[in-house]
Amino acid sequence: GAGVSQSPRYKVTKRGQDVALRCDPISGHVSLYWYRQALGQGPEFLTYFNYEAQQDKSGLPNDRFSAERPEGSISTLTIQRTEQRDSAMYRCASSLGGGTAGNTIYFGEGSWLTVV
Amino acid sequence: AQTVTQSQPEMSVQEAETVTLSCTYDTSESDYYLFWYKQPPSRQMILVIRQEAYKQQNATENRFSVNFQKAAKSFSLKISDSQLGDAAMYFCAYRRTQGGSEKLVFGKGTKLTVNP
Repeated sequence: GAGVSQSPRYKVTKRGQDVALRCDPISGHVSLYWYRQALGQGPEFLTYFNYEAQQDKSGLPNDRFSAERPEGSISTLTIQRTEQRDSAMYRCASSLGGGTAGNTIYFGEGSWLTVV
Repeated sequence: AQTVTQSQPEMSVQEAETVTLSCTYDTSESDYYLFWYKQPPSRQMILVIRQEAYKQQNATENRFSVNFQKAAKSFSLKISDSQLGDAAMYFCAYRRTQGGSEKLVFGKGTKLTVNP
């Protein structure tokens, strides 16, 4: 697609429910990232994929958070047993990758998650 | 660990004047990339400018330029001839590639107000 697409854009869920956030990266982009951004803060790294391989998940806060990218394209970030502190914007980003750190990272518009 | 510090939570500038946003970072790496991203009220993340650490010449993009001081680990953004549309949150970010992982580390941001 033309840009990084995320869905849903807005999600309100009850505490304890599971949520799945979807990311469709720019076509041909090898690298995919998930970030979390709380109000008034900068984005915080969660996890990174190179094709379908999850190369770095050091930013996932705990084992309730998981991510996958089974075919090296669309990715899903899943939060189990949501808690109020999980409320934030979750951003997906992608880049051409290929080990070139200078490749521009393009961000999606984010998924706003509110846990009530 | 890599950290990025933006010491100015808020800045303001008169339309048509120049403003400089500060950023310092901490790293033991010699090869890395630095970025400034703009986040308007729409919450998009827009790349403003990038700098390769191995380049001594400061990057410039139209009205935006950086003052990159590698030894001091400083990476400030100068906006010339400020326009109302420049009002936004500005995030400084450090990017590195190591051990198969890539990530951007962001500062907490500076909120820029442009006064007519």
